[in-house]
Amino acid sequence: AQRVTQPEKLLSVFKGAPVELKCNYSYSGSPELFWYVQYSRQRLQLLLRHISRESIKGFTADLNKGETSFHLKKPFAQEEDSAMYYCALSGNNAGNMLTFGGGTRLMVKP
Amino acid sequence: EAGVVQSPRYKIIEKKQPVAFWCNPISGHNTLYWYRQNLGQGPELLIRYENEEAVDDSQLPKDRFSAERLKGVDSTLKIQPAELGDSAVYLCASSPSGRPTDTQYFGPGTRLTVL
Repeated sequence: AQRVTQPEKLLSVFKGAPVELKCNYSYSGSPELFWYVQYSRQRLQLLLRHISRESIKGFTADLNKGETSFHLKKPFAQEEDSAMYYCALSGNNAGNMLTFGGGTRLMVKP
Repeated sequence: EAGVVQSPRYKIIEKKQPVAFWCNPISGHNTLYWYRQNLGQGPELLIRYENEEAVDDSQLPKDRFSAERLKGVDSTLKIQPAELGDSAVYLCASSPSGRPTDTQYFGPGTRLTVL
């Protein structure tokens, strides 16, 4: 079975501080990892995925297969980063089913 | 492009009543998903369609839930009868195909409250 764990329900930081949202996963095959974000009153949308190896809105995430982690990082948080962040996993072993973590609410204080 | 469209946005019903949700995916997207999101949790897949075929419905409570995607475009999710525990946000998403690398595009969701 595949599983995604986000240990922090809430993460509160000040503007300009570094941010790291943790994500750990359990999966027997080769996973595809994603971060989705939901801003206030908006729909859930893709932020980034590990195969793209890109930085979106200053966020990056590195897949660490040894630690089975896919933490989301940003060196300097902005107030507009405040949102719900969901880590998600997909893979061929589970029929391409997308499994989400429980989410972390990021609050960036001025 | 309107993106994935869902209706209604909100629904309040009494337990044991039926309810239906409608989804129109992004044009050209073959794969359609229904998720349920309970308060304080991430979305959980209920059913996935490839065109009009349900290819993954293992998480759908089949005693009371049903879904259809008759022409491989719009989809309807139904609950009959609804129970208190069905209160949640029901999300529809679509993707070009069902590949693991595909981005899923979500609709705004339908917030169901069962009294």
